[in-house]
Amino acid sequence: RKEVEQDPGPFNVPEGATVAFNCTYSNSASQSFFWYRQDCRKEPKLLMSVYSSGNEDGRFTAQLNRASQYISLLIRDSKLSDSATYLCVVVPSGGYNKLIFGAGTRLAVHP
Amino acid sequence: DVKVTQSSRYLVKRTGEKVFLECVQDMDHENMFWYRQDPGLGLRLIYFSYDVKMKEKGDIPEGYSVSREKKERFSLILESASTNQTSMYLCASTRPGRANYGYTFGSGTRLTVV
Repeated sequence: RKEVEQDPGPFNVPEGATVAFNCTYSNSASQSFFWYRQDCRKEPKLLMSVYSSGNEDGRFTAQLNRASQYISLLIRDSKLSDSATYLCVVVPSGGYNKLIFGAGTRLAVHP
Repeated sequence: DVKVTQSSRYLVKRTGEKVFLECVQDMDHENMFWYRQDPGLGLRLIYFSYDVKMKEKGDIPEGYSVSREKKERFSLILESASTNQTSMYLCASTRPGRANYGYTFGSGTRLTVV
């Protein structure tokens, strides 16, 4: 079983739609969680951290459910520029700040 | 802004060649990482280093080695390149305890082994 699992998509949505991605992780001792964004043929970049209390950054909302070991990302009012691959990322316990990446969920926003 | 520079965007090498991928960061970060990214598999950690001359194996170290002689430079070495090492290679750096601030990635090296 992969440590971090995501639906690969693609999610094809119209502009203005609300879309949600989920991600599950296998290591219950994982300590930190993030969403990264990766544009086509570019490097990943940090989108936002994910906290147990949930957190919001503009149109983006991230949630963590430790009991069920999943995290989610909600994008409201989708823009064409949101088209990208969204990577779910987990930091296991044990130090060194190693990041464990999911394979990513591809989002395509169309006019 | 932190900058992580990978020496080549595209490389084509022959099977059996020794290949060096170079990564340099300019923000005095202690921790540096090498990942490879393949479709459907995501990013997988090859090796990382938390200090000069220190290295730790990641999840898929076989066929690779690394060198960290200076803090700013972390090199990935393919001892004898094989076709299954055709991939996108990404270098990243961060400060210890600063994963919350995100890794900074280089722009990647797309390696093709023929």
